[in-house]
Amino acid sequence: GENVEQHPSTLSVQEGDSAVIKCTYSDSASNYFPWYKQELGKRPQLIIDIRSNVGEKKDQRIAVTLNKTAKHFSLHITETQPEDSAVYFCAFGGTSYGKLTFGQGTILTVHP
Amino acid sequence: GAGVSQSPRYKVAKRGQDVALRCDPISGHVSLFWYQQALGQGPEFLTYFQNEAQLDKSGLPSDRFFAERPEGSVSTLKIQRTQQEDSAVYLCASSRGTSGYEQYFGPGTRLTVT
Repeated sequence: GENVEQHPSTLSVQEGDSAVIKCTYSDSASNYFPWYKQELGKRPQLIIDIRSNVGEKKDQRIAVTLNKTAKHFSLHITETQPEDSAVYFCAFGGTSYGKLTFGQGTILTVHP
Repeated sequence: GAGVSQSPRYKVAKRGQDVALRCDPISGHVSLFWYQQALGQGPEFLTYFQNEAQLDKSGLPSDRFFAERPEGSVSTLKIQRTQQEDSAVYLCASSRGTSGYEQYFGPGTRLTVT
């Protein structure tokens, strides 16, 4: 079945450092790759997404890169801040009526 | 503007009881998705509506789970004869079009079955 592997499962960085989370997906027909941030007890929040016609997208301190040949995509956060601490989920979709398949999540902790 | 809302936020049910969970999507959004999120896991797809039509229910774990969206706006997820393994957060998401792009989530309903 469809699945996505997300690494690392936990990531601890110092404030100001960069953080990188990587995902590998299985469905080569997928054309939509969003990233969600979820704080404890809160809803998943869409922070950035990329579609298969581009290889990279940037929004302020957040960027996502996509390699369709290798079927992997990554989230890059620069100049991390304590408020970036949360669980981050990658997902893929764009087929099968747009349902998303999510990774297992990465717990990011940014130490002041 | 108003985001996706869900009610109740928390629900405790005794095993064997029926529960109904409500989702109010963003106004005008055609697509509505239900996901189940177990503790420490990513959300897992349950079912999809395009307006009032349920086009995909492949993720529903058993025939005890039923969803509807009769007028193409509000949706209800019903679980009959709840079991302990049904304990999870049930998330609703909506998106403007039919591609599944830009899904916005509600706060979820945390269901605990005792």
